[in-house]
Amino acid sequence: DTGVSQDPRHKITKRGQNVTFRCDPISEHNRLYWYRQTLGQGPEFLTYFQNEAQLEKSRLLSDRFSAERPKGSFSTLEIQRTEQGDSAMYLCASSLVGLSGRNEKLFFGSGTQLSVL
Amino acid sequence: GEDVEQSLFLSVREGDSSVINCTYTDSSSTYLYWYKQEPGAGLQLLTYIFSNMDMKQDQRLTVLLNKKDKHLSLRIADTQTGDSAIYFCAERGGNTGKLIFGQGTTLQVKP
Repeated sequence: DTGVSQDPRHKITKRGQNVTFRCDPISEHNRLYWYRQTLGQGPEFLTYFQNEAQLEKSRLLSDRFSAERPKGSFSTLEIQRTEQGDSAMYLCASSLVGLSGRNEKLFFGSGTQLSVL
Repeated sequence: GEDVEQSLFLSVREGDSSVINCTYTDSSSTYLYWYKQEPGAGLQLLTYIFSNMDMKQDQRLTVLLNKKDKHLSLRIADTQTGDSAIYFCAERGGNTGKLIFGQGTTLQVKP
């Protein structure tokens, strides 16, 4: 399977614990995005990387959230001191863009469903 | 701020056409997208349209864009039970993949 893969598919944790999710993008895709989706809503942008550089972060991304893409390939999203409001589906997407950045097509993974008890 | 609105639910009979509507507020949107999400799955890109176009057809899918009214629609011809899913409209204003999504329209196809 050469699509975007995310691990784990599901994570149940207790409030206050730290969790980390991993995303493996499509090979050679230079951009990687994290989105969050709550029940009955569309995905909301969290952050994105161009290669290893984190270029934009949403105001939704509090100080408890940190994302990395150390070698410009896979990415991790860590949530520290989880709260019940963090319960959501965390989606990763990747794309390959040229210099113009036109018509960027995002390919999404199946997501990690986080439940904070 | 930017906002994308969709109706929440649509029910059609198999073989009929489905029309899913979307309105957006950002007049600087460059591309508009339609994604499909099946239960437990990620989002699948169905089609997109550039803001200087008013129509795009791709097999059973027809996208209509009314830029003046900031209205986008997705028509699915000969709707099948396998088309049952949630459909998201999304707009892209800048030069990145930061998309603003609507809340999704659940399409129910009855046999």
